[in-house]
Amino acid sequence: GQNIDQPTEMTATEGAIVQINCTYQTSGFNGLFWYQQHAGEAPTFLSYNVLDGLEEKGRFSSFLSRSKGYSYLLLKELQMKDSASYLCAVMDSNYQLIWGAGTKLIIKP
Amino acid sequence: GAVVSQHPSWVICKSGTSVKIECRSLDFQATTMFWYRQFPKQSLMLMATSNEGSKATYEQGVEKDKFLINHASLTLSTLTVTSAHPEDSSFYICSAGLAGGDTGEQYFGPGTRLTVT
Repeated sequence: GQNIDQPTEMTATEGAIVQINCTYQTSGFNGLFWYQQHAGEAPTFLSYNVLDGLEEKGRFSSFLSRSKGYSYLLLKELQMKDSASYLCAVMDSNYQLIWGAGTKLIIKP
Repeated sequence: GAVVSQHPSWVICKSGTSVKIECRSLDFQATTMFWYRQFPKQSLMLMATSNEGSKATYEQGVEKDKFLINHASLTLSTLTVTSAHPEDSSFYICSAGLAGGDTGEQYFGPGTRLTVT
């Protein structure tokens, strides 16, 4: 079967760095997405990785290793507004999105 | 648990025809379902929120007469794209909220890729 695994919840301190991991097993691979979702709001696109390596966008970076079925989202200089759920999703060979359950990130002062 | 399915996975239709997309919560009851559309490498854009047994609430700029939403049961919501045009080609994703769950607790379907020729 297809599945995406990510931690249910993580806690970090304002100003620190946090890494949210995502491992996947899917039928084929056409890219991996990271989304941020605040409670009651639509998810916001953060990144898309289809090739191995690190993609950096300001405070957020996303890494992909296709051979390991592994990605992580790295958040630097954490701010209180970064408290949200972070969703990992993989597009399979049929261009269907397989969603992780999301990681709830709690930022403490 | 908390599985959401969509049917069809992909559909190609001719301009002017209507297409119906189904969203089902397979192992839980969903009082609220959300419909999104996504263009490549862009955020999911919320189109409408549907509550079981009542009319859907559409986001600003979404034509309710063009995108008909029906949420007739706690496990099924449908989106009908009427008189589809090529600009309606997109990836449509639904999500379902658990009855009694947090407002942010949504489970996403795999999406339906619509291509209008």
